[in-house]
Amino acid sequence: KAGVTQTPRYLIKTRGQQVTLSCSPISGHRSVSWYQQTPGQGLQFLFEYFSETQRNKGNFPGRFSGRQFSNSRSEMNVSTLELGDSALYLCASSSRKGAANTEAFFGQGTRLTVV
Amino acid sequence: TQLLEQSPQFLSIQEGENLTVYCNSSSVFSSLQWYRQEPGEGPVLLVTVVTGGEVKKLKRLTFQFGDARKDSSLHITAAQPGDTGLYLCAGGRGGYQKVTFGTGTKLQVIP
Repeated sequence: KAGVTQTPRYLIKTRGQQVTLSCSPISGHRSVSWYQQTPGQGLQFLFEYFSETQRNKGNFPGRFSGRQFSNSRSEMNVSTLELGDSALYLCASSSRKGAANTEAFFGQGTRLTVV
Repeated sequence: TQLLEQSPQFLSIQEGENLTVYCNSSSVFSSLQWYRQEPGEGPVLLVTVVTGGEVKKLKRLTFQFGDARKDSSLHITAAQPGDTGLYLCAGGRGGYQKVTFGTGTKLQVIP
């Protein structure tokens, strides 16, 4: 079974630009969550999508948005990039079923650097 | 806000030593996971515990879920350099409620 795939792995952008990150979950998983990880703030929840609907949202400004497609693939977009958006962005795939309801399988992440 | 506080925040030990990492909350969780993350990679799921008082063992790692399902511990016996990484606990409350991640414990095992 293929794992979670995130693209690209590395990205360098300039302040003010926008960026789109992609995540393909494990086959059969319908939940995709996005996290921002920085050394100072740890793992911060951005949002979760399930069956193309946003189910949960973290405390991030509206510049951060996401969507999920019918094949469960998800994208997140950050507009008007700021230096503080430099981080490792992680995508996690879950089945959201039974005892494994909250088990998350992470991709390798996208390292975004804003200069 | 459901918070999961982990302690200690940082731990540096010699190879062969034992250690325990704690994950505490004032909230009840229906399940709790532990993850290990290496630099530049995503966290990797180690274990899930769902029953109060449950103990699970994974080779040299022992995980315990508190009786009241508000806390958990991870004990590593005879730590090895390969155990080095960031350990994260995460709790869920069922349904589609947001999963809460702990603050993390950074472990360094020195050869």
